[in-house]
Amino acid sequence: AQSVAQPEDQVNVAEGNPLTVKCTYSVSGNPYLFWYVQYPNRGLQFLLKYITGDNLVKGSYGFEAEFNKSQTSFHLKKPSALVSDSALYFCAVRDDSSNTGKLIFGQGTTLQVKP
Amino acid sequence: NAGVTQTPKFRILKIGQSMTLQCTQDMNHNYMYWYRQDPGMGLKLIYYSVGAGITDKGEVPNGYNVSRSTTEDFPLRLELAAPSQTSVYFCASSRGLAGGPDTQYFGPGTRLTVL
Repeated sequence: AQSVAQPEDQVNVAEGNPLTVKCTYSVSGNPYLFWYVQYPNRGLQFLLKYITGDNLVKGSYGFEAEFNKSQTSFHLKKPSALVSDSALYFCAVRDDSSNTGKLIFGQGTTLQVKP
Repeated sequence: NAGVTQTPKFRILKIGQSMTLQCTQDMNHNYMYWYRQDPGMGLKLIYYSVGAGITDKGEVPNGYNVSRSTTEDFPLRLELAAPSQTSVYFCASSRGLAGGPDTQYFGPGTRLTVL
């Protein structure tokens, strides 16, 4: 069965410092991985995805993610955090056991960026 | 494009009442999905549709029904509301590509409380 784990409930970082939000996955075939961000009382916004190709994926708002096949990880990164990056972040993997595009989500990580 | 829209934004139901959560997308996407989000649990798939007239169950379909008579609309029906259905409900859609469904885009959500 495919699954996603986000090992940290919360990540705290000072503004201007680099940030990392961790995600590990388990899939039976090729992984299709996604990161979404949710601001308070809002829907999920797509940040970036890995389908194939370069292991470093660049996305919206200066975020990037590094795909590591040997460690089955897809960590979200940003070189310099902003207070406005504070939000709930979800990692997801596409369930390719059927061609339906269903996403399996991690439980989410709250990012708190302090001034 | 308005993207994915959901109504209502908020609703309070009494146990045993019924209601329909509306979802509409204007991107001509074939694939549509309903998720529920519970605190600390990530998102769980309720139902999905791969095109007009075709729907199928996700992870947590009990207590819900869906229909897909048009490409644009994918309403979610709660027949006999129960406190366990208190949650935030998100609708999402994605286009189809040769390799399968593409990135999912989410609506703003409906916050439902059952008392």
